Amino acid sequence: EDQVTQSPEALRLQEGESSSLNCSYTVSGLRGLFWYRQDPGKGPEFLFTLYSAGEEKEKERLKATLTKKESFLHITAPKPEDSATYLCAVQADNTDKLIFGTGTRLQVFP
Amino acid sequence: KAGVTQTPRYLIKTRGQQVTLSCSPISGHRSVSWYQQTPGQGLQFLFEYFSETQRNKGNFPGRFSGRQFSNSRSEMNVSTLELGDSALYLCASSSPGGGLETQYFGPGTRLLVL
Repeated sequence: EDQVTQSPEALRLQEGESSSLNCSYTVSGLRGLFWYRQDPGKGPEFLFTLYSAGEEKEKERLKATLTKKESFLHITAPKPEDSATYLCAVQADNTDKLIFGTGTRLQVFP
Repeated sequence: KAGVTQTPRYLIKTRGQQVTLSCSPISGHRSVSWYQQTPGQGLQFLFEYFSETQRNKGNFPGRFSGRQFSNSRSEMNVSTLELGDSALYLCASSSPGGGLETQYFGPGTRLLVL
């Protein structure tokens, strides 16, 4: 069964304290791995899609990487405005639906 | 351009009632997907509609149904509500020929079942 597990569930960082969020997955055939950011009271906002092991993508203070079993979202020198829930999802081959993890709730304190 | 809109934003119902939620996609988007989000289960895929046809379906009971109109607007219906149906219901639309990278989510409808 296709499955996505994210860790940790919650993470508290001091402003400027870099860290990584983990997304491990089990899928029959990976078509794509997606990262989203979700703010309270809003729907998820697309960040990145990764397609193959070894691929990396960056956006401002965020960098996503992918291996055959997991993905990491690295946050470098975070700011309070990076506080949000970060969601990981996978799309399996031959399907147009996403399977989501339960997310990591990130709080960055000044 | 305007984003995905969902109405109503908040809803309170009692067990046994039914509810209809509405989603208006981004102009030009023809695919609409629905998700249920709960603290314990996260986001779970309900179904996807494209050109008025259900193209994909998740593992939810038949009490959950949906439809799409010719203008791409979509509705989902939940009959015989249960306490466990309390959740944030999210709608997402994507552009024709675009992958899920083009999928934009609405703000959701928060449903509370008492």
